[in-house]
Amino acid sequence: QVQLVESGGGLVKPGGSLRLSCAASGFTFSDYYMAWIRQAPGKGLEWVAYISSSNNFIYYADSVKGRFTVSRDNAENSVYLQMTSLRAEDTAVYFCARATVTYFDFWGQGTLVTVSS
Amino acid sequence: SFVLTQPPSVSVAPGQTARITCGGNNIETKSVYWYQQKPGQAPVLVVYDDSDRPSGIRERFSGSVSGNTATLTISRVEAGDEADYYCQVWDSSSDHYVFGTGTGVTVL
Repeated sequence: QVQLVESGGGLVKPGGSLRLSCAASGFTFSDYYMAWIRQAPGKGLEWVAYISSSNNFIYYADSVKGRFTVSRDNAENSVYLQMTSLRAEDTAVYFCARATVTYFDFWGQGTLVTVSS
Repeated sequence: SFVLTQPPSVSVAPGQTARITCGGNNIETKSVYWYQQKPGQAPVLVVYDDSDRPSGIRERFSGSVSGNTATLTISRVEAGDEADYYCQVWDSSSDHYVFGTGTGVTVL
């Protein structure tokens, strides 16, 4: 069955960097778009970034553009989110999701990122 | 950017019908998706392409769209349906995914 397992979350100081990873299994990873979505504590869902199956299309939410970079390694069945210049408002659970062009059909359990001094 | 508005909360008695709305300008021109999120868990897709259900989602969950409003209907509500529900669309003008503000469903 489809499994998505995020890792790499933790506590980081404002202005710092963090790299999240998402390991996928149970499907042909290279056939699918992948995305990152976040949820601040007690808040709603916010799409962060997505990357197409062969890296042709990469898009970011305005709130993270220029600070976050999404990438993937189809040989390793993994997608990554490099986060730099982190701010307190980036504090959230970050979910990895398998995506189509228009929606997300499977989600991982998430990894918590806390930005605090 | 495209905005989707949902009521913060909906309360419903067991066995009754819950209707969760999602408002957006000309939303009927887009495909609408719905997710269920229980506390401490990841969201789960419950409706795609306005009204289709993924495998494993019960027929009690249905979706519809008309004009500026999409609706998720949960029939014969059970205690296990208590969760937050989010609508979502793909905004092709910005190549962005957009989520609604979310609705918390309480089963009385």
